[in-house]
Amino acid sequence: GENVEQHPSTLSVQEGDSAVIKCTYSDSASNYFPWYKQELGKGPQLIIDIRSNVGEKKDQRIAVTLNKTAKHFSLHITETQPEDSAVYFCAASGSGGSQGNLIFGKGTKLSVKP
Amino acid sequence: NAGVTQTPKFQVLKTGQSMTLQCAQDMNHEYMSWYRQDPGMGLRLIHYSVGAGITDQGEVPNGYNVSRSTTEDFPLRLLSAAPSQTSVYFCASSNGARGETQYFGPGTRLLVL
Repeated sequence: GENVEQHPSTLSVQEGDSAVIKCTYSDSASNYFPWYKQELGKGPQLIIDIRSNVGEKKDQRIAVTLNKTAKHFSLHITETQPEDSAVYFCAASGSGGSQGNLIFGKGTKLSVKP
Repeated sequence: NAGVTQTPKFQVLKTGQSMTLQCAQDMNHEYMSWYRQDPGMGLRLIHYSVGAGITDQGEVPNGYNVSRSTTEDFPLRLLSAAPSQTSVYFCASSNGARGETQYFGPGTRLLVL
């Protein structure tokens, strides 16, 4: 089945700097890659996603890149702000009989220092 | 729309007790799922449902039962709670399965003593 690895597990940056979180996946049939942000005490919330027919997608300060050949995708946050501090999860859709269930990475705790 | 709601927010159980975690959504989504979140383990799928009357096991189903009698509700049952089931539980729903945004509830924090 699908396996998703996420790095780093913790990331600390200064306000205004960029942050990059990387994920790799194992199932070459996966074709949907969302990123979720989880604030303390809340449920995960989708912030951006990308499908396999696209190499890059941007939404204001957030961007995601996908390299299908290498089976990895990354989240890029530019001009970080203290409110970006949270845990970020990447995920990949499963294949076959799993009905497209999402398989999540273990998360990255991002801290943005003012 | 209230989105995905979960009750209770917090629960303490003794080993061997049973309980039901409630999950409801008002978006008419066909797909619903339950995850547990443990420190350093990310989100792991327990059970999921692709529509009323249809359920299936995820990655970590042991010790949990589910049913889906209506589109709106997807309760998770712990028949005999164990300390290993101490976790935060999230319910999610989406309009489809593959490649659709999943909306998460606020979570239920469960402590089993």
